[in-house]
Amino acid sequence: KQEVTQIPAALSVPEGENLVLNCSFTDSAIYNLQWFRQDPGKGLTSLLLIQSSQREQTSGRLNASLDKSSGRSTLYIAASQPGDSATYLCAVGPYNFNKFYFGSGTKLNVKP
Amino acid sequence: ETGVTQTPRHLVMGMTNKKSLKCEQHLGHNAMYWYKQSAKKPLELMFVYNFKEQTENNSVPSRFSPECPNSSHLFLHLHTLQPEDSALYLCASSQDYSETQYFGPGTRLLVL
Repeated sequence: KQEVTQIPAALSVPEGENLVLNCSFTDSAIYNLQWFRQDPGKGLTSLLLIQSSQREQTSGRLNASLDKSSGRSTLYIAASQPGDSATYLCAVGPYNFNKFYFGSGTKLNVKP
Repeated sequence: ETGVTQTPRHLVMGMTNKKSLKCEQHLGHNAMYWYKQSAKKPLELMFVYNFKEQTENNSVPSRFSPECPNSSHLFLHLHTLQPEDSALYLCASSQDYSETQYFGPGTRLLVL
């Protein structure tokens, strides 16, 4: 069974800092990897989707990379803002499309 | 309305009650999902529907019964639940399994 781990579990940084969130998975046979953010008590918002044939995706201040062979993905947030405070989740989708595995998330707090 | 909507947003029920959660997507997607999010645990995929056909149930207890009457609506019928079923239940949809999933705001369920 695929296992997805996110480190760190929580992170607190001052505003303006660049930061990296990590996601690792045990089975490299994945079809895609998605990063989401979740605000307290709310649903998930998709940030970036990386197909297995891609190495990275960028959207604004966010950049996500994927290294299938090592089973790792990183989410880079540039010039962090208080509005970035949320829990960030990664999810891997295997070739068996019926199963998606989520990590436990990294709770980010950006202090003004 | 746009996106993915869920009703009710909050639900309190006794163990002998029967209730239903509703999800509706206005995105023209083909696939819909039910997830369970418990405190301190990763998101768990419960059910997947593609073109109204259930393709995966991930060994969910029979006290949870999904229904997908058309590609835009998804229900989760609940009966004789247990207190450990208290969680945030999230619905999502996507155009295809390989595409980004869009989540609703969730239903916060408390079983007494």
